[in-house]
Amino acid sequence: EAGVTQSPTHLIKTRGQQATLRCSPISGHTSVYWYQQALGLGLQFLLWYDEGEERNRGNFPPRFSGRQFPNYSSELNVNALELEDSALYLCASSLPIKVLVSGEQYFGPGTRLTVT
Amino acid sequence: SQQGEEDPQALSIQEGENATMNCSYKTSINNLQWYRQNSGRGLVHLILIRSNEREKHSGRLRVTLDTSKKSSSLLITASRAADTASYFCATDADGNKLVFGAGTILRVKS
Repeated sequence: EAGVTQSPTHLIKTRGQQATLRCSPISGHTSVYWYQQALGLGLQFLLWYDEGEERNRGNFPPRFSGRQFPNYSSELNVNALELEDSALYLCASSLPIKVLVSGEQYFGPGTRLTVT
Repeated sequence: SQQGEEDPQALSIQEGENATMNCSYKTSINNLQWYRQNSGRGLVHLILIRSNEREKHSGRLRVTLDTSKKSSSLLITASRAADTASYFCATDADGNKLVFGAGTILRVKS
């Protein structure tokens, strides 16, 4: 069974540009989560989507946004990029929350975003 | 802000030795999970322990949870060089949002 996939693996952008990161969850998983791992700041929760709806949002500015498509894949968009947005962006997926009995989230390999 | 604090921040041991990492958290939880991360790549789910469980085993891994002390420990027995990685605990203090600790960097020398 395929795991969570993310694309691209690496992304280099300049300040002020926009970045789009993509995630495909494990088959059967409807919840998708985005986390940022920046140097010195640790892993921080960004967004949670389930059944196409945004369910929860971390303490990030509105220029971080996303969406979930009918096939449960997801996109994370970061507008007006700043140098401090350079980080590893990790996507995770889990079973539907209405059947979730354990809470495991399974992570993809991440997208390394570098803003110059 | 981070919920958990891992201890130690870094640990260096010889192959075959046991490695123990600790995690403390601040608020009530439904479950606590441990993850491994190799060289800045994705996280690998290791084990989940629910708040009503005290101990759980998976292969060479043993996790304990003490909700009265708001702490958990991860024991890796008979460590191997391939266990070299960063280890994170994560709690579900805010619904399905995981809150991670700062992690323990484990180095297993062969």
